[in-house]
Amino acid sequence: DSGVTQTPKHLITATGQRVTLRCSPRSGDLSVYWYQQSLDQGLQFLIQYYNGEERAKGNILERFSAQQFPDLHSELNLSSLELGDSALYFCASSPGGATETQYFGPGTRLLVL
Amino acid sequence: KNQVEQSPQSLIILEGKNCTLQCNYTVSPFSNLRWYKQDTGRGPVSLTIMTFSENTKSNGRYTATLDADTKQSSLHITASQLSDSASYICVVMDSSYKLIFGSGTRLLVRP
Repeated sequence: DSGVTQTPKHLITATGQRVTLRCSPRSGDLSVYWYQQSLDQGLQFLIQYYNGEERAKGNILERFSAQQFPDLHSELNLSSLELGDSALYFCASSPGGATETQYFGPGTRLLVL
Repeated sequence: KNQVEQSPQSLIILEGKNCTLQCNYTVSPFSNLRWYKQDTGRGPVSLTIMTFSENTKSNGRYTATLDADTKQSSLHITASQLSDSASYICVVMDSSYKLIFGSGTRLLVRP
């Protein structure tokens, strides 16, 4: 158990819909990262927040957005969902430094029908 | 374009044998390089993190090397065990905290 929690574990929805994925970091960690892992593209970095502020942005689509709240939990919002958005979405947390270990949550499996 | 390439794509070895996985990158400016182990359907687990000035780092039976001049890294697994069967992912962080992932090497350890 990494100490990072993600909800829900599974999500099934339809194209065009909007969903929200939630992540609670390890106690004391200030940084939260979001990743997408689809079968054909491997792991991709989406976005990082540090203490409530966006720090780095990867290959995140404009239909996706995220935020980190004052209690440091984070949400990833996916809108206008397409079939290709079906994937495992991981959240990771770390204390915040560039060379610190990231601890991954168990992931949310999203299926868009 | 910043890229991370791993080889081989997949590898089968016998239990108890050693193996070496390769990672080449073109990420610049470079901050650090990470190796992760990922079991199917689970979140990755960090094995090593190396900065520009570090040549080698060990974590039990896992030893990573980094040659920042040639932009190459390797992960050596000693005395493999069945539980080492997993995907091994090389990740490079650039100086703006952006992470670039390799496509991974899928390792299967057979008894």
